[in-house]
Amino acid sequence: GQNIDQPTEMTATEGAIVQINCTYQTSGFNGLFWYQQHAGEAPTFLSYNVLDGLEEKGRFSSFLSRSKGYSYLLLKELQMKDSASYLCAVRSTGFQKLVFGTGTRLLVSP
Amino acid sequence: EPEVTQTPSHQVTQMGQEVILRCVPISNHLYFYWYRQILGQKVEFLVSFYNNEISEKSEIFDDQFSVERPDGSNFTLKIRSTKLEDSAMYFCASSETLADTQYFGPGTRLTVL
Repeated sequence: GQNIDQPTEMTATEGAIVQINCTYQTSGFNGLFWYQQHAGEAPTFLSYNVLDGLEEKGRFSSFLSRSKGYSYLLLKELQMKDSASYLCAVRSTGFQKLVFGTGTRLLVSP
Repeated sequence: EPEVTQTPSHQVTQMGQEVILRCVPISNHLYFYWYRQILGQKVEFLVSFYNNEISEKSEIFDDQFSVERPDGSNFTLKIRSTKLEDSAMYFCASSETLADTQYFGPGTRLTVL
């Protein structure tokens, strides 16, 4: 089976940097996705990693280490609108489904 | 920017009734998915659909559930006899290829009374 762990909740201040970690266990890793989800809304795609290293996209970056089963999402220059849940999801070889973690609720305060 | 759309946004039904949730995937996408999220819980995979047939399903997707692509644009999820525990947000998603990102629709909130 697959197991994905993320912290339940994090808080940060506007303008700061926050790192949200995700660890996973799966056989046949085939990609890790980060989604943002505001309360009552759909998950919105943020980033995708399949090879080791850092992917940067504006204020958001995501890192992957396949040997460690570890990823993080880095959010810079935090804004109030970044308050949301951040979902880590893993896809395994031979499967189409995404397996989601429980999500990390980020609260950005002024 | 193209997006996945879903109707209705909210559906209330009585236990035992049939419901059909509708989705219009992104037009050039070939893979379609349904996920659900019970309030306060994680997003769970239900089923994927490709080339007019189910390509993968979870243990949640039992005989009470079915999917269909009735025409060139719609993709539907039917629950034959709803139970209280089917109350959840149902998300449709689509991807261009198997390896591509899955893009989610806004969801249908199903409430079973």
